[in-house]
Amino acid sequence: DTEVTQTPKHLVMGMTNKKSLKCEQHMGHRAMYWYKQKAKKPPELMFVYSYEKLSINESVPSRFSPECPNSSLLNLHLHALQPEDSALYLCASSQAPGANYGYTFGSGTRLTVV
Amino acid sequence: GEDVEQSLFLSVREGDSSVINCTYTDSSSTYLYWYKQEPGAGLQLLTYIFSNMDMKQDQRLTVLLNKKDKHLSLRIADTQTGDSAIYFCAEVPGATNKLIFGTGTLLAVQP
Repeated sequence: DTEVTQTPKHLVMGMTNKKSLKCEQHMGHRAMYWYKQKAKKPPELMFVYSYEKLSINESVPSRFSPECPNSSLLNLHLHALQPEDSALYLCASSQAPGANYGYTFGSGTRLTVV
Repeated sequence: GEDVEQSLFLSVREGDSSVINCTYTDSSSTYLYWYKQEPGAGLQLLTYIFSNMDMKQDQRLTVLLNKKDKHLSLRIADTQTGDSAIYFCAEVPGATNKLIFGTGTLLAVQP
């Protein structure tokens, strides 16, 4: 298995809803990442998990809450989002933290906040 | 901070070569990457180059690296319509674990 699987593929939520995005990999990778991508822009890093511990938070608002229950799973809990949070949310993993190993990306969750 | 810069758009005819350019920010970046993103899809790692190399060839793809100028390019030989996508260069600056993407180049291949 050489994939990163993200669910759901599409999500529409209201500003008062609570939802979660899920990401799963079975490649034995020990670093996992959340990126946010707005239309016609490059992906922007949100969070880095290294050996199941949060190592980088790029000053992301607290309405986004990441969780890494085990080495294969990464969640992003969403609460009280704003319409400007609508974007493609990408999960990635790498063999270990750092540059040398390349990052494998999932196909993303397209989130619309109404 | 500085952006990793790419030209916005490139249009080529099918069968021609495409050259996509990138200027990155950190001379200590050990690896430099090229990713492809098709419409509505995630990111596919195309190739990468180690910083002590000047060139890497992988089938139709050739990567050139000029460390002095912090300039990276991706040449696609015999470009096909299936190559139409957005191409991002990426680096991991310094000792960080942050993969930072360039601004992206939209490649349009005309039949």
